Amino acid sequence: DVVLTQSPLSLPVTLGQPASIPCRSSQSLVHSDGNTYLTWFQQTPGQSPRRLIQKVSIRDSGVPDRFSGSGSGTDFTLKISRVEAEDVGVYYCLQTTHWPFTFGPGTKVDIE
Amino acid sequence: EVQLVESGGGLAQPGGSLRLSCGASGFIFSNYWMTWVRQAPGKGLEWVANIKQDGSEQYYVDSVKGRFTISRDNAKNSLYLQMSSLKPEDTAVYYCASGGLDVWGQGTTVTVSS
Repeated sequence: DVVLTQSPLSLPVTLGQPASIPCRSSQSLVHSDGNTYLTWFQQTPGQSPRRLIQKVSIRDSGVPDRFSGSGSGTDFTLKISRVEAEDVGVYYCLQTTHWPFTFGPGTKVDIE
Repeated sequence: EVQLVESGGGLAQPGGSLRLSCGASGFIFSNYWMTWVRQAPGKGLEWVANIKQDGSEQYYVDSVKGRFTISRDNAKNSLYLQMSSLKPEDTAVYYCASGGLDVWGQGTTVTVSS
């Protein structure tokens, strides 16, 4: 199975400052169709997960443009350009290139 | 409004069964793969199962294979998860989600305990 590693598991951030959340895969996430199926989710306290970004860098409708995704192959990053208080929560990466689909363990972002 | 609403969670004994349901509205349900994802208390997300638009293909994570069955009724815009031979480690909030995981329900809680 593909293992997604998210480190650190906890990321204290300063309001207004940037934050980077890495996700590393145990194998390439490039699908045979040429796409890379790496997705990012945000889960704020007490809420269902919310999809932010699909296929590495395609931001979902309604997602603030301070969120961006990048990466290729086995290394990916979710970036928040300027952290706001509402961004506190856990961020998960998910790969749907290889079955079984797997989530990373999540990075908890909180305000320091 | 696009919406998914789960129901059917509750307390079950080890070895017991439960059937979860998920009602969809606001989109053409029959056009989409559908998925169940679970989250154990204080833990991360785990993909459980998914099913093709017409129900002809289903995929399961190894830990539930042979015990859980995903199904759907497109005429009723509904997704189901039949869970049997339940184990304490199946205790979790179960979410249904659209195939691309762009729409999620609010979750239903399953507790397996004697």
